[in-house]
Amino acid sequence: QKEVEQNSGPLSVPEGAIASLNCTYSDRGSQSFFWYRQYSGKSPELIMFIYSNGDKEDGRFTAQLNKASQYVSLLIRDSQPSDSATYLCASTGGFKTIFGAGTRLFVKA
Amino acid sequence: GAVVSQHPSWVICKSGTSVKIECRSLDFQATTMFWYRQFPKQSLMLMATSNEGSKATYEQGVEKDKFLINHASLTLSTLTVTSAHPEDSSFYICSARSRLAGYNEQFFGPGTRLTVL
Repeated sequence: QKEVEQNSGPLSVPEGAIASLNCTYSDRGSQSFFWYRQYSGKSPELIMFIYSNGDKEDGRFTAQLNKASQYVSLLIRDSQPSDSATYLCASTGGFKTIFGAGTRLFVKA
Repeated sequence: GAVVSQHPSWVICKSGTSVKIECRSLDFQATTMFWYRQFPKQSLMLMATSNEGSKATYEQGVEKDKFLINHASLTLSTLTVTSAHPEDSSFYICSARSRLAGYNEQFFGPGTRLTVL
């Protein structure tokens, strides 16, 4: 069964620090990878996607992909209390997108 | 761009009644729409996938006769919870995939919170 695994957390970091969120996936045929942010009581919001090995930066966010290790990560620089949320990792190899259960991030002011 | 709306945002109904939830892609055409359910502090659970003009594909364990899905156009899908019971109370979220999406990204609606009394 195709799976996406994430540490449920909570991951607690101080304000201004770098938050590192990790994800592994089982389907080697996965081609695209996504990070969504979900605030409590709200629906997920797409932050970034990545499809090539290496790093992709967008503002304070950097997504990293290593297909050989089947590993995806999201770095959040200069973490803010407003970044406190659950972060969902997802992969797709075609029609269906597989979501991880999410990692709860808590940024302490 | 890539805005998905849902209506209603919340609904309270009596046990045994039916509730319809609408999902619309506002600024793009969605060939595929997905319906998820999420219980408090739990992960997203995919219920079904719908493609415009064809029958929905339901995930294992999801009753197709209870959760009716219609995807009548490239911008509208509806989920009807028939004969709702308190255990159907949950957060229902739709997402849409653009026919132009190069990397299969999904965009989520704001969700509908259903409470069945």
